[in-house]
Amino acid sequence: AQTVTQSQPEMSVQEAETVTLSCTYDTSESNYYLFWYKQPPSRQMILVIRQEAYKQQNATENRFSVNFQKAAKSFSLKISDSQLGDTAMYFCAFMKHVGNQFYFGTGTSLTVIP
Amino acid sequence: NAGVTQTPKFQVLKTGQSMTLQCAQDMNHEYMSWYRQDPGMGLRLIHYSVGAGITDQGEVPNGYNVSRSTTEDFPLRLLSAAPSQTSVYFCASRLSGPPSYGYTFGSGTRLTVV
Repeated sequence: AQTVTQSQPEMSVQEAETVTLSCTYDTSESNYYLFWYKQPPSRQMILVIRQEAYKQQNATENRFSVNFQKAAKSFSLKISDSQLGDTAMYFCAFMKHVGNQFYFGTGTSLTVIP
Repeated sequence: NAGVTQTPKFQVLKTGQSMTLQCAQDMNHEYMSWYRQDPGMGLRLIHYSVGAGITDQGEVPNGYNVSRSTTEDFPLRLLSAAPSQTSVYFCASRLSGPPSYGYTFGSGTRLTVV
């Protein structure tokens, strides 16, 4: 079975600062995908960034980057130059290479303070 | 393109009532799924479909039925609503093959069963 753990229920960061959200997972699969989704108060689930496990290079998307440590089964999200619009719940998620089910963590509520 | 459209956005049911949550996508995605989101538990898979006429159970299928008569539509039926089904429901879709880009989510339906 796959499990995803987000150990930080709540975090806050000053506007323009950098924050890192943690995520660890457990799997026996060798090939899989990892995602970070953002859920603002509007409730919409928005894909922030994705990482394919067979790629060693860490994914980046503008101000968002990940630190993917496959051996440690760790997948943290770094948000640089935090903006007020980054305030949201952030979910880490895992999916097998062949599969249809997301395994989600319980989320981290991020507040950006002006 | 509208993406994934869910209706209604909000619904209140009495215990024992039945209803159908609608989901439609216009991206010609083969794979569609229903998730429920409960506080502190992340999202959990209810049912999924890999194409018209093909459905299967996810992690928490009890009390729910699905069918997939067309590629575009994937309705979720609550047979006899119970307070334990109070939740936010998300429909999601993606192309077939490796889940490189994850799923596209609808905006959710908040269901309250009293």
